[in-house]
Amino acid sequence: GAVVSQHPSRVICKSGTSVKIECRSLDFQATTMFWYRQFPKQSLMLMATSNEGSKATYEQGVEKDKFLINHASLTLSTLTVTSAHPEDSSFYICSAISGDSSYEQYFGPGTRLTVT
Amino acid sequence: AQSVTQPDIHITVSEGASLELRCNYSYGATPYLFWYVQSPGQGLQLLLKYFSGDTLVQGIKGFEAEFKRSQSSFNLRKPSVHWSDAAEYFCAVGGRSFQKLVFGTGTRLLVSP
Repeated sequence: GAVVSQHPSRVICKSGTSVKIECRSLDFQATTMFWYRQFPKQSLMLMATSNEGSKATYEQGVEKDKFLINHASLTLSTLTVTSAHPEDSSFYICSAISGDSSYEQYFGPGTRLTVT
Repeated sequence: AQSVTQPDIHITVSEGASLELRCNYSYGATPYLFWYVQSPGQGLQLLLKYFSGDTLVQGIKGFEAEFKRSQSSFNLRKPSVHWSDAAEYFCAVGGRSFQKLVFGTGTRLLVSP
């Protein structure tokens, strides 16, 4: 149980375009989802916290107009990188918290974004 | 402010030898502590967690960790390392429910034959 999926696993897009990444909780309802960014050989940096049905809470320094987060249902959150630039290339990982187990985050496998 | 320090960027251990990865945290309240493992290009897998109770916690794959409040530490151990344990290990601290996790910078484990 407690499986989180991400789609796509890898994506390459051209500079200036937008790309959407999906995060799904497959076998539980996720009241809260988190989006992280990980640069090569570095740790995970929290970008935003997403609660179902409400606006996401962004961490300091994260542009909310560039990284659009939507948590439309209890099993799906999306991250849209708008007007992507090469510096947005990174590994994006989501995690989800089950309403039954609020202390543990279940992580998705990550999405590798490359902007050319 | 909460923070996690993993002082070792990378560690090399011979297969079959014991392992200890260090983690120190700073947190203003009762911490919830986690160890995750990440293989290259993959997401994070939870090895073990500490919320309360017994300060020695057992995890998956033969790992254990000990919470020492006096030292603000939560070191990860394994008595005999296998080649498949080579990966990146992250220590993380969080608080009450639904609070965000703060991760350490990670320790890359290399296993030599």
